[in-house]
Amino acid sequence: GAVVSQHPSRVICKSGTSVKIECRSLDFQATTMFWYRQFPKKSLMLMATSNEGSKATYEQGVEKDKFLINHASLTLSTLTVTSAHPEDSSFYICSARDLRGLAGDGELFFGEGSRLTVL
Amino acid sequence: SQQGEEDPQALSIQEGENATMNCSYKTSINNLQWYRQNSGRGLVHLILIRSNEREKHSGRLRVTLDTSKKSSSLLITASRAADTASYFCASCTNAGKSTFGDGTTLTVKP
Repeated sequence: GAVVSQHPSRVICKSGTSVKIECRSLDFQATTMFWYRQFPKKSLMLMATSNEGSKATYEQGVEKDKFLINHASLTLSTLTVTSAHPEDSSFYICSARDLRGLAGDGELFFGEGSRLTVL
Repeated sequence: SQQGEEDPQALSIQEGENATMNCSYKTSINNLQWYRQNSGRGLVHLILIRSNEREKHSGRLRVTLDTSKKSSSLLITASRAADTASYFCASCTNAGKSTFGDGTTLTVKP
């Protein structure tokens, strides 16, 4: 089946630094990718929709300048957590829908997630 | 809140028993999907049911959808210890946006 690769799987950084997380669709093209945040024992919270070649669409309450999203190609979206603080520590997961899913149909393929710890 | 609701929040059963999880959602949907997540890992797609379908089977999984009640259920038959995981439903709109339920943590005891 389709594969979405997410890197890094774990990252520890100091407060105030920026961290970049990559999400790649390995065997299909994805014009749309999604970024989620998951707190321990909680569900996934959609942060933003990443659109290839255009600006990301952020959910209410998510700071655009804090969580920078770039979707430069049909197979790669990046999430940069800028000036990270301990409260940004979380599990970040990306997902992608292949071109057949543009109408809303089709399954989402998820990356393995990236655990960010900000000291 | 963007979240749907799932119940029960936690379910503990013996191997061989059936496990039923329920999910409710709030908006009109194109389809509803169920996912599984092992602790600390990404999500794995289990099954998709479209808004015009009422029931779907895949191996030991059976999913039902009631759009009038905006609810879905996932039944895992003859459970195994390896089925221990968290299970999430995701309701997907025509625009392609998915909203996840709060999840059910299933523990299958050997």
